Amino acid sequence: DADVTQTPRNRITKTGKRIMLECSQTKGHDRMYWYRQDPGLGLRLIYYSFDVKDINKGEISDGYSVSRQAQAKFSLSLESAIPNQTALYFCATSDLYYNEQFFGPGTRLTVL
Amino acid sequence: AQSVTQLGSHVSVSEGALVLLRCNYSSSVPPYLFWYVQYPNQGLQLLLKYTSAATLVKGINGFEAEFKKSETSFHLTKPSAHMSDAAEYFCAVSDPGDYKLSFGAGTTVTVRA
Repeated sequence: DADVTQTPRNRITKTGKRIMLECSQTKGHDRMYWYRQDPGLGLRLIYYSFDVKDINKGEISDGYSVSRQAQAKFSLSLESAIPNQTALYFCATSDLYYNEQFFGPGTRLTVL
Repeated sequence: AQSVTQLGSHVSVSEGALVLLRCNYSSSVPPYLFWYVQYPNQGLQLLLKYTSAATLVKGINGFEAEFKKSETSFHLTKPSAHMSDAAEYFCAVSDPGDYKLSFGAGTTVTVRA
């Protein structure tokens, strides 16, 4: 079984809709991250969490919110989706020593 | 703050030829460095990492990278390309003790038969 899972894998939605992307991990890591990937821009950090009570904004958090329901679960919400949030979204976890990050398979989100 | 520059957004090589992907970083302290690979419709997979041990790092699938502090570089190489190496490759940097991993823009590798 995969160590980091994301649901859904693909989602098409309309402008203005609320969307939640979910991430679960079995690696036992405390640190979890949400990134978006756009062509030519690499990966950009949206939010990160060091534990259930510690959630922090990344470089592009506007228009997004997160919830850390448990050590193993970290959800990303788009409160009112807009077309420029169309992207590939990745969840990741990391260890405490070298910040090696382990990625989920991604969610491809299309906002029409 | 760290930043990463990958030279060349697309690289095309012949099967059996050398693969060379360039990565330069800026960091105020000796960093941790990573190369990740992304195959189509998949997440990122770690190829190799440098964490202040040996400067020549060997990874999976025959890839290796050399940390050169004087050049602030961490270029990725593979002596002989295989069709299965077609993918997008990302260089990333992290300062020791920092939570943040900064990614380059990525290099797409195509392999010609």
